[in-house]
Amino acid sequence: DGGITQSPKYLFRKEGQNVTLSCEQNLNHDAMYWYRQDPGQGLRLIYYSQIVNDFQKGDIAEGYSVSREKKESFPLTVTSAQKNPTAFYLCASTGPGGRSDTGELFFGEGSRLTVL
Amino acid sequence: SQQGEEDPQALSIQEGENATMNCSYKTSINNLQWYRQNSGRGLVHLILIRSNEREKHSGRLRVTLDTSKKSSSLLITASRAADTASYFCATDFPPPGTYKYIFGTGTRLKVLA
Repeated sequence: DGGITQSPKYLFRKEGQNVTLSCEQNLNHDAMYWYRQDPGQGLRLIYYSQIVNDFQKGDIAEGYSVSREKKESFPLTVTSAQKNPTAFYLCASTGPGGRSDTGELFFGEGSRLTVL
Repeated sequence: SQQGEEDPQALSIQEGENATMNCSYKTSINNLQWYRQNSGRGLVHLILIRSNEREKHSGRLRVTLDTSKKSSSLLITASRAADTASYFCATDFPPPGTYKYIFGTGTRLKVLA
């Protein structure tokens, strides 16, 4: 069945280390997104990509980097420059070109990053 | 900055009662969506309402949109314990097809059995 897969589900990082969160979708969606969610808070947009080999910064892009070399994949790297990276990270995707032409976002199950 | 603000931030009701949560936003939109999130999970799409629509129904859900007031409400009728979750509104911006979505702060709903 089609969907979005995020990995790992839990990740621990030491200060000063870069980590990469994986996001893969088989929904044939053009657009993909990364959001950050802090406890009891809403979602804040980190980066988004509307097409392969192109991406734009969201509201809180500092300390993060992304790539979009394939339609199916949109990995997020949390760099050592991100001062407070402990959070729940959510990846999402949407059409056109996939199951949804209405703009409905499909979400992965999230990755919880903890900095030790 | 977040586009939407939901209120109340938290809501506790008895099973069988109706739950109403509101979302306000700042700029003109193409559409507004509501999502549900169970604790520690990803978000699930509930319903989408376009800027030229005023009301939409889906099962026990009723959504209204008032573009003059830049606000929307989500009504869950005959609530169940399984409705316990956080609910978020999300808006996208003109021009259509930009697919940049901004989420509100969420309402945490607790339905007591």
